[in-house]
Amino acid sequence: SQKIEQNSEALNIQEGKTATLTCNYTNYSPAYLQWYRQDPGRGPVFLLLIRENEKEKRKERLKVTFDTTLKQSLFHITASQPADSATYLCALGDNNAGNMLTFGGGTRLMVKP
Amino acid sequence: DGGITQSPKYLFRKEGQNVTLSCEQNLNHDAMYWYRQDPGQGLRLIYYSQIVNDFQKGDIAEGYSVSREKKESFPLTVTSAQKNPTAFYLCASTPPGAREQFFGPGTRLTVL
Repeated sequence: SQKIEQNSEALNIQEGKTATLTCNYTNYSPAYLQWYRQDPGRGPVFLLLIRENEKEKRKERLKVTFDTTLKQSLFHITASQPADSATYLCALGDNNAGNMLTFGGGTRLMVKP
Repeated sequence: DGGITQSPKYLFRKEGQNVTLSCEQNLNHDAMYWYRQDPGQGLRLIYYSQIVNDFQKGDIAEGYSVSREKKESFPLTVTSAQKNPTAFYLCASTPPGAREQFFGPGTRLTVL
């Protein structure tokens, strides 16, 4: 069965450093991968989408890589700020008619001032 | 002010009762989704609908029911058949031709 793994342990980093979060998957050949941010008690917010034929995508301080050979995506936040503290979810999708996504369990990021 | 609204934010129900969670969007999105999130876990798909009067079961549909009589509305009923209904419920929608999902603020359901 499909499996998506994100580090369940919280990632603690110092303000100004680069945060790197990992999303690994097995038994899946996704057409694209998405990253979402979720704050406590709120709905996820879409951040970035990267397709299977793309190696890297950037948006402001965010960078996502997608390695379909390793079956892994890395999510980077450069010059991290305390306001970046949240849980980050990765989600995989294929070109199915329902546009359904399969979500990982998320990694909580804590940026300390 | 466009967006997805869910109500109520907090909901309590007694064991054995059915309860309906509201999800409304004024974004003119065709596709809508219901997810369940348990503490420390990812989102699991309950039901989805691509168009009015049509919906499909997700991975964990047992004990739930939905309707899609209007494009703007996709209510979820948690029935008494759902064995462990206490969770955070999220509704989402997708614009035509897009892949990203827009989420509502969620409803936290607690069974007493």
